[in-house]
Amino acid sequence: DTEVTQTPKHLVMGMTNKKSLKCEQHMGHRAMYWYKQKAKKPPELMFVYSYEKLSINESVPSRFSPECPNSSLLNLHLHALQPEDSALYLCASSFSGGATGELFFGEGSRLTVL
Amino acid sequence: QKEVEQNSGPLSVPEGAIASLNCTYSDRGSQSFFWYRQYSGKSPELIMSIYSNGDKEDGRFTAQLNKASQYVSLLIRDSQPSDSATYLCAVNRRGDIGNEKLTFGTGTRLTIIP
Repeated sequence: DTEVTQTPKHLVMGMTNKKSLKCEQHMGHRAMYWYKQKAKKPPELMFVYSYEKLSINESVPSRFSPECPNSSLLNLHLHALQPEDSALYLCASSFSGGATGELFFGEGSRLTVL
Repeated sequence: QKEVEQNSGPLSVPEGAIASLNCTYSDRGSQSFFWYRQYSGKSPELIMSIYSNGDKEDGRFTAQLNKASQYVSLLIRDSQPSDSATYLCAVNRRGDIGNEKLTFGTGTRLTIIP
């Protein structure tokens, strides 16, 4: 059982909808991440929150916006998405923001944009 | 040149044999190295990490690192059908936030043939 919980597991939305993906970790980790993964491709980093500091992949469009209410929760707000945004969205956490690379992934939220 | 390169496969190995997965990286400042296993439709799972030159063994898995050659490998002994998955090599260097410099390879799809 994963200790990084993502909801919902599946989401279908139209291009005009506003929705959110949620992630929670119970391991006391201080860094959380959102990754996007398309089929047969590696995960691509979107956002990192580490010790309340945000790092953004500058290629991520503004229709994606992260929110970190506290060190255990990470949300990804979705607005005016495009069909090409359909993908598996992975939340991950790590013990610290150091260069350990040891990430714990949630099961993912599979997003379909119609 | 890609930052992290892997043979995409598929790599087919008979059950009970040794599976050898290879990865090369271009950034000489890389500090830490990881292998993640990803079953089809699932999220990545960390199986090995290695930080210094040489071999690191964990059960049936051995990670090998050669920083001079910028090469990291994963050996799976006594391969089992349950080892059939995509194996992602990941390479990290310290970033401002931490782990935002973690780069994944495209993955090698491994199939163990009973």
